Amino acid sequence: DAKTTQPTSMDCAEGRAANLPCNHSTISGNEYVYWYRQIHSQGPQYIIHGLKNNETNEMASLIITEDRKSSTLILPHATLRDTAVYYCIVRVAGDTGNQFYFGTGTSLTVIP
Amino acid sequence: GAGVSQSPSNKVTEKGKDVELRCDPISGHTALYWYRQSLGQGLEFLIYFQGNSAPDKSGLPSDRFSAERTGGSVSTLTIQRTQQEDSAVYLCASIVRLAGFNEQFFGPGTRLTVL
Repeated sequence: DAKTTQPTSMDCAEGRAANLPCNHSTISGNEYVYWYRQIHSQGPQYIIHGLKNNETNEMASLIITEDRKSSTLILPHATLRDTAVYYCIVRVAGDTGNQFYFGTGTSLTVIP
Repeated sequence: GAGVSQSPSNKVTEKGKDVELRCDPISGHTALYWYRQSLGQGLEFLIYFQGNSAPDKSGLPSDRFSAERTGGSVSTLTIQRTQQEDSAVYLCASIVRLAGFNEQFFGPGTRLTVL
């Protein structure tokens, strides 16, 4: 399974864009990049996923480099409620089983 | 609609006691995961159930851990002879297939403290 590397922590000013990087240099051609976040004392929440094209939904945007070895999750206008641990995961879409290696993620703190 | 629920939300037990943690997945979801999260750590996979197939137990840390899923719905994670290192938040997730990928819906977790 491809593993990911993320910075341990980041700060972002409220109202500014939060850009969370993730390295996945060993990603395979059929593996997708998923992002989840975990707000304190809650279970993780799905944010977005993508294969090679950039993706956008109501929560965030996902930018994947052309070589697919890294990606960036963008929260366009961070709010205090976005303070959470963000996990970048790679996995074959549609597979199940022991596949979601969450790692320790990036702890994002949004500062007023 | 109702999400994944877990009970109890908090459990404090003495070392050596057995504990049972319950997960009620979202109705109709066919797959279910158990994870645990120790303080400051990422999620650690424990066990996975898919329909009527044999569960994937490859993440269970020792034979003191077991889980079952009755009727393809409710799941119980049992830890026998608890140890202090078992203290963690135990998370359950149920799976639904959406647009070709599997989205996990997590419960709020059970915080287990072994004294």
